[in-house]
Amino acid sequence: EIVLTQSPGTLSLSPGERATLTCRASQIFSSSYLAWYQQKPGQAPRLLIYGASNRATGIPDRFSGSGSGTDFTLTISRLEPEDFAVYYCQQYDYSPFTFGPGTKVEIK
Amino acid sequence: EVQLVESGGDLVQPGGSLRLSCAASVSTFSDYSMNWVRQAPGKGLEWVSYISGSGATVYYADSVKGRFTISRDNVKNAVYLQMNSLRDEDTAVYYCAKGRSSGRFDFDCWGQGTLVTVSS
Repeated sequence: EIVLTQSPGTLSLSPGERATLTCRASQIFSSSYLAWYQQKPGQAPRLLIYGASNRATGIPDRFSGSGSGTDFTLTISRLEPEDFAVYYCQQYDYSPFTFGPGTKVEIK
Repeated sequence: EVQLVESGGDLVQPGGSLRLSCAASVSTFSDYSMNWVRQAPGKGLEWVSYISGSGATVYYADSVKGRFTISRDNVKNAVYLQMNSLRDEDTAVYYCAKGRSSGRFDFDCWGQGTLVTVSS
């Protein structure tokens, strides 16, 4: 099973600042199978990024993804009030299709 | 746009059974693979099971293999999760989620979730 680790656990930032979230895997897998999701309290997750760097339908371009091998990054260029949430990475190359533990982006 | 609505969550005793349903509002339901993903209270996401568009291929997480069964009815536009031998650790919100494209296991549409509580 591929274990995903996300850092930091919590990120305290102000609106307008840049957020950089990291996802590290326990073994190499194809970057074509790395996704990022956003989840707000009481809501279902929402797909942001697939294939490590492709924005899902309707996702603003302030969200970008990068990385390969075992190290991946989600960047939010300028935080909007609605971006404060928990972010999960997921690998879907090998079953079981595992998620990271999440990074909470909170208002500073 | 696809909409997914789960139902069937309830309070059940350890060792009991429950069947979850997910109704999809989409014209070509059989084109899409479907999954169940769960989230224990205050915890992260855990993929549970997958079923292909035709229903011919299914996968399960090790934690539920042999106890849960995924199925679908492409006439009724629904996917189901039969859960047997339930354990305390199965307590979670269960989401159905649509595969983004054929053969891919990322999820571009999610239901609102249904809560399963396993407790005596």
